[in-house]
Amino acid sequence: NAGVTQTPKFQVLKTGQSMTLQCAQDMNHNSMYWYRQDPGMGLRLIYYSASEGTTDKGEVPNGYNVSRLNKREFSLRLESAAPSQTSVYFCASSEARQGEYGYTFGSGTRLTVV
Amino acid sequence: GIQVEQSPPDLILQEGANSTLRCNFSDSVNNLQWFHQNPWGQLINLFYIPSGTKQNGRLSATTVATERYSLLYISSSQTTDSGVYFCAVEPDTDKLIFGTGTRLQVFP
Repeated sequence: NAGVTQTPKFQVLKTGQSMTLQCAQDMNHNSMYWYRQDPGMGLRLIYYSASEGTTDKGEVPNGYNVSRLNKREFSLRLESAAPSQTSVYFCASSEARQGEYGYTFGSGTRLTVV
Repeated sequence: GIQVEQSPPDLILQEGANSTLRCNFSDSVNNLQWFHQNPWGQLINLFYIPSGTKQNGRLSATTVATERYSLLYISSSQTTDSGVYFCAVEPDTDKLIFGTGTRLQVFP
């Protein structure tokens, strides 16, 4: 099925450990995003990539790095995890077609840092 | 940065009732989207509506860009409408900023 695929779905890390969240889309979209959602809150933009080879900071980039490996894949890396990074992480992609912008979100990665 | 406020924060309805959700934003925007997050966490894009009115089945949305607000109407609500509704705006290209959402619970 066409869409955005995130892995893993769940992860528990110890403080100081590193990990990479993977995201891939098969809709040939140019733009991709990483968001985090904390309990009872909206989504906050971490990083985005308007096209292959470009990345830019969002609202809350500290503690994260990203790689736009190719047009399909956009990964998020936590170099040294902290409890404040416990959250649900969503990857998304978007494209403008016929003047309309459509966003597709992955199903999320629930990350706990202990 | 831009502020996005949604009201009400919580809404409880009985099946069949109508409702209006509001989104206010503090600056001009290039883009405005409405999303539904279901109880399992999946986010679905409902409308792209930087201005004007659109309808999709029992849902419709109106954005008055000059007055910096948007409304989402849900008619004849069903239990499957439950979840959180988010408004999101794009003040700069590719930076979609979300509001804090309206949590809707529809009971049979």
